[in-house]
Amino acid sequence: GAGVSQSPRYKVAKRGQDVALRCDPISGHVSLFWYQQALGQGPEFLTYFQNEAQLDKSGLPSDRFFAERPEGSVSTLKIQRTQQEDSAVYLCASSSQSGASSYEQYFGPGTRLTVT
Amino acid sequence: DAKTTQPTSMDCAEGRAANLPCNHSTISGNEYVYWYRQIHSQGPQYIIHGLKNNETNEMASLIITEDRKSSTLILPHATLRDTAVYYCIPTSGTYKYIFGTGTRLKVLA
Repeated sequence: GAGVSQSPRYKVAKRGQDVALRCDPISGHVSLFWYQQALGQGPEFLTYFQNEAQLDKSGLPSDRFFAERPEGSVSTLKIQRTQQEDSAVYLCASSSQSGASSYEQYFGPGTRLTVT
Repeated sequence: DAKTTQPTSMDCAEGRAANLPCNHSTISGNEYVYWYRQIHSQGPQYIIHGLKNNETNEMASLIITEDRKSSTLILPHATLRDTAVYYCIPTSGTYKYIFGTGTRLKVLA
């Protein structure tokens, strides 16, 4: 079946511009996660949704970062007034809480954001 | 979540077994050990997970020590397509993952 998709795959923004990154999770997956991956580093947690509820946003680096999932499916990560330090790959993952013992997360290909 | 220690990099000859160790000495009783890999320019891919018993699937085997303080991921017959960064992630399940820097495995022809 279809996996997690993200768009755009690449985004170049001038410093100070706003950007919006989209994630389409696997259909029916309850949980959705956003991670940020700097060059040469492992992904770092940003925020977590269960359906439309944002249960954890402790990893968002500043109030310029905002995420939403209004209908419990598609999610958007918005970054306002982008800075050079925001340059990274932004990964989305989804997970099913079906009651089974495993809760592996399925990751999308990521959006590579470059701020110039 | 438990902290992990993994070798920065490893090489493995094609066709040979790749054994990737992970130390997670502070793991708690309810934390599973998940393994993911990330091939260049792709998102992380789930490989396998376990709690205290050894596990095997079509991709790999996972050996967890009896005291659960360390584990080893085994790729039985490594191919060039297994070249990737491998992450060991102790987690209590449904929540955020804490990735370390992982082990960069290079499979050599």
